[in-house]
Amino acid sequence: NAGVMQNPRHLVRRRGQEARLRCSPMKGHSHVYWYRQLPEEGLKFMVYLQKENIIDESGMPKERFSAEFPKEGPSILRIQQVVRGDSAAYFCASSPRESATSEQFFGPGTRLTVL
Amino acid sequence: GESVGLHLPTLSVQEGDNSIINCAYSNSASDYFIWYKQESGKGPQFIIDIRSNMDKRQGQRVTVLLNKTVKHLSLQIAATQPGDSAVYFCAEAQVGGKLIFGQGTELSVKP
Repeated sequence: NAGVMQNPRHLVRRRGQEARLRCSPMKGHSHVYWYRQLPEEGLKFMVYLQKENIIDESGMPKERFSAEFPKEGPSILRIQQVVRGDSAAYFCASSPRESATSEQFFGPGTRLTVL
Repeated sequence: GESVGLHLPTLSVQEGDNSIINCAYSNSASDYFIWYKQESGKGPQFIIDIRSNMDKRQGQRVTVLLNKTVKHLSLQIAATQPGDSAVYFCAEAQVGGKLIFGQGTELSVKP
């Protein structure tokens, strides 16, 4: 049973370009969470999605960032017009159900570098 | 506001010794906490969790203690091994499942 998969593992973009990060949850999981980790810091919640729905985007910047989890295919975190401050590791986690007591399984992350 | 934080950013222990990593949280309504281990270049890996109706939970070589009176969590690792070297995060689960992470403690095990 494959774990959470993320790609690409490393992504380099120049300022102003777009970054697309993909996350395939574990088989049977329909809940996806995205987190951002700056160097030497803990992970910060960005957005929580279920299939075709955004449930909680309270941690997502209002501009340039968007996320989706279509009926078919992976969840996508999209960053438009990237700036140097967007450089970070982006992790996604999946869970089989919505619950504050349900374990989340993390992917290996995408490390975004903005030049 | 809500926050989860760790007391010490780094911890160095001798191989074979026990390690204790501490964490404070501020939301007294929280009822589910998790410890994660993160090795360099990897995603967080679940270690152990505890619900607020418990004070202690044990796993293989790890124990989590929860003191709700002072809103404090600790992770104890018995007989620490070089493979335990990593950054350890405590996390607090909120409604809907989103996790609030602490800053992290880097554990270094000396042979």
